[in-house]
Amino acid sequence: EDQVTQSPEALRLQEGESSSLNCSYTVSGLRGLFWYRQDPGKGPEFLFTLYSAGEEKEKERLKATLTKKESFLHITAPKPEDSATYLCAVQEGQNFVFGPGTRLSVLP
Amino acid sequence: NAGVTQTPKFQVLKTGQSMTLQCAQDMNHEYMSWYRQDPGMGLRLIHYSVGAGITDQGEVPNGYNVSRSTTEDFPLRLLSAAPSQTSVYFCASKTGFDSPLHFGNGTRLTVT
Repeated sequence: EDQVTQSPEALRLQEGESSSLNCSYTVSGLRGLFWYRQDPGKGPEFLFTLYSAGEEKEKERLKATLTKKESFLHITAPKPEDSATYLCAVQEGQNFVFGPGTRLSVLP
Repeated sequence: NAGVTQTPKFQVLKTGQSMTLQCAQDMNHEYMSWYRQDPGMGLRLIHYSVGAGITDQGEVPNGYNVSRSTTEDFPLRLLSAAPSQTSVYFCASKTGFDSPLHFGNGTRLTVT
């Protein structure tokens, strides 16, 4: 059975202070690793899909990378509007297994 | 440009009551699914459907029923609500096999 863990559980950064979020997974045959952003009271919003080790995707201040056992979401010079919970998920057949998320707070 | 629409946004039930959470999508997605989100546990799959007339169980199906009579709609029924079903429920859909999920904004359910 696929397992997804995320660390840290919560992260507080000062505006402009870069950092990384971790997503570790165990899966037999990765079909895709997905990153989502979730704001309070809203549904998760899709950010990236990564399919193979070594792949990288970027969007504004976010960059996602993938190895054989984990993915990192790097946040460069974050702003307060980047505050949210970040979820990762791996695809298991037609379905997805989600990690518990990292709650990011960026202070002005 | 509605995407995935869930109703109601909030609901309070007493133990033993039944209700239906509604989910509709206007993207012509074949795949639809229901998740529940609880603090510290992440999203857990309740039921899913790969097309009209086809449904299957996910990780936590007990106490819930689904049906898929049209491509657009995928309602989730709570048969006899229990306090353990207090949660936030999300409906999600996707197009192709390796596509990402598109989520609604959730229904926050409290069972007293």
